[in-house]
Amino acid sequence: NAGVTQTPKFQVLKTGQSMTLQCAQDMNHNSMYWYRQDPGMGLRLIYYSASEGTTDKGEVPNGYNVSRLNKREFSLRLESAAPSQTSVYFCASNLLTVYGYTFGSGTRLTVV
Amino acid sequence: TQLLEQSPQFLSIQEGENLTVYCNSSSVFSSLQWYRQEPGEGPVLLVTVVTGGEVKKLKRLTFQFGDARKDSSLHITAAQTGDTGLYLCAGDSGGGADGLTFGKGTHLIIQP
Repeated sequence: NAGVTQTPKFQVLKTGQSMTLQCAQDMNHNSMYWYRQDPGMGLRLIYYSASEGTTDKGEVPNGYNVSRLNKREFSLRLESAAPSQTSVYFCASNLLTVYGYTFGSGTRLTVV
Repeated sequence: TQLLEQSPQFLSIQEGENLTVYCNSSSVFSSLQWYRQEPGEGPVLLVTVVTGGEVKKLKRLTFQFGDARKDSSLHITAAQTGDTGLYLCAGDSGGGADGLTFGKGTHLIIQP
């Protein structure tokens, strides 16, 4: 099915461990995004990529890095996980903002 | 930083009742979107409103964009249990591919 695919679905990390969240879309969208969703805080933008080869910081980029590997794939890396990064992470893509975003089903990350 | 305030945060009503959810800001948006999110899934786009004063209908859901393009409302007529979910509004500042600004959401529960 066409859409945004995120892996893994669930992950538990120990403080200080690293991991990469994977995201791929098959809709030929130019723009891709990483958001985190926390209770009472809503969705907050971590990083975005307007096109292949470009990335920019969003509202809460500290502690994260991203790679736009090609037009399809946009990964999010936590180099040294902290408990404050416990959250649900969503990847999204769009062709034009006015057409709306397509979201993946999310990665629930717990850092202990 | 542009903010979107949604109200109410939580709403529990009986099936068959009507309800309205509000999304307000002091900022002007070029467009505003409404999403619905179910547990364990990513948000799914319901509608985009672009023109001040615009009204869009999606079956029993009516969306309105304020004349000044700073606020929006979602009205549900004769709510059904299937309407249960988290409703999010999101504003596009028109600055390019730098991400939508999301409200914190309204948790809606429709009791049978």
